Amino acid sequence: SAVISQKPSRDICQRGTSLTIQCQVDSQVTMMFWYRQQPGQSLTLIATANQGSEATYESGFVIDKFPISRPNLTFSTLTVSNMSPEDSSIYLCSVNRIMNTEAFFGQGTRLTVV
Amino acid sequence: DAKTTQPPSMDCAEGRAANLPCNHSTISGNEYVYWYRQIHSQGPQYIIHGLKNNETNEMASLIITEDRRSSTLILPHATLRDTAVYYCMYGGSQGNLIFGKGTKLSVKP
Repeated sequence: SAVISQKPSRDICQRGTSLTIQCQVDSQVTMMFWYRQQPGQSLTLIATANQGSEATYESGFVIDKFPISRPNLTFSTLTVSNMSPEDSSIYLCSVNRIMNTEAFFGQGTRLTVV
Repeated sequence: DAKTTQPPSMDCAEGRAANLPCNHSTISGNEYVYWYRQIHSQGPQYIIHGLKNNETNEMASLIITEDRRSSTLILPHATLRDTAVYYCMYGGSQGNLIFGKGTKLSVKP
């Protein structure tokens, strides 16, 4: 298993500002991912956080809006930039150690933009 | 877009088996089927996964049809704590999962 700690657990932010979300894993993992869950919706994959290189973004998500860092094998950050109320969502970090096995999720960061 | 089809909601009586179906007709031969659930406002929780054979663990059983175009998740004795949204998906061998809308299971006393 993997224990994932996300910070902050929730925040209320002003529009136009940016928020950086941290994801810390209790052991080294190869794959780390960021998801967004809009109110009442399912999860949507934002990007794969690659260690030592630029993140790989899914269609509809861009680096300028969601810059991601992955400085080592246990830590990643997601920044939500220039926020608007439409960015109000739960943002979740996920990790996977071995191919074709289970992924583990953090408890998420609940973001409200006002 | 999500590649699986699940009923949007199901009810189950407490103590009875909950059988959740999923269609994944475009699955490739080497792609696993995964099931996760999300209890309100929590991160998704892994339940079970399989390739071809039926699988069972302490939480559930997974029945995959011989043609692998569909599967069924079985919770043998549903409890109120099993009330959640259940997601079926396939692929994502590296952990990059594509979630569909899932099935909202309500276990009733």
